[in-house]
Amino acid sequence: DADVTQTPRNRITKTGKRIMLECSQTKGHDRMYWYRQDPGLGLRLIYYSFDVKDINKGEISDGYSVSRQAQAKFSLSLESAIPNQTALYFCATSDDRTSKYNEQFFGPGTRLTVL
Amino acid sequence: DQQVKQNSPSLSVQEGRISILNCDYTNSMFDYFLWYKKYPAEGPTFLISISSIKDKNEDGRFTVFLNKSAKHLSLHIVPSQPGDSAVYFCAASVGGADGLTFGKGTHLIIQP
Repeated sequence: DADVTQTPRNRITKTGKRIMLECSQTKGHDRMYWYRQDPGLGLRLIYYSFDVKDINKGEISDGYSVSRQAQAKFSLSLESAIPNQTALYFCATSDDRTSKYNEQFFGPGTRLTVL
Repeated sequence: DQQVKQNSPSLSVQEGRISILNCDYTNSMFDYFLWYKKYPAEGPTFLISISSIKDKNEDGRFTVFLNKSAKHLSLHIVPSQPGDSAVYFCAASVGGADGLTFGKGTHLIIQP
């Protein structure tokens, strides 16, 4: 079974719709992250969380919001989706107790298309 | 302004030979560097990392070299195998806790 799961894996939506991407992990890690990847580009950080009460903006947080419902769950919301939010979205986790270099473990990704 | 740069979008290497993937960075505050490997339709997988206080780290067929004065790191894969064909991302972080800053990736193709 995968340690970091993302749902849905693929989603097509329309401009203006609200959409939520979900991430769950069974690794017991405290830290969780959301990234997006655009074609030909590296991953860019959207939001990250060190625990349930700690949420931090990343490089490209505008147009997104997050919710850390529990240690194991971290959701990303697009309040009003727009076409340039079409991308591949990845959730990641890391563990401050065992991670020396902030090694992060990634989910399989959600491919989002906004028409 | 890209803080982590991978200037080669693709690299083709013969099976059994050495693959060398390069990465440059501009932010002198980076103190941890990581390499990730990504197959299509999968998330990136952690490969190897190095702290800024070291200049080399080795793990099996994979070795990462760091040249702080040149702000350059490289990943060596010896010998290259067909399963190494993937996109390789260089990433860096400050302080080892916040998010990672990624390069654009290099697509490594191992030719039989």
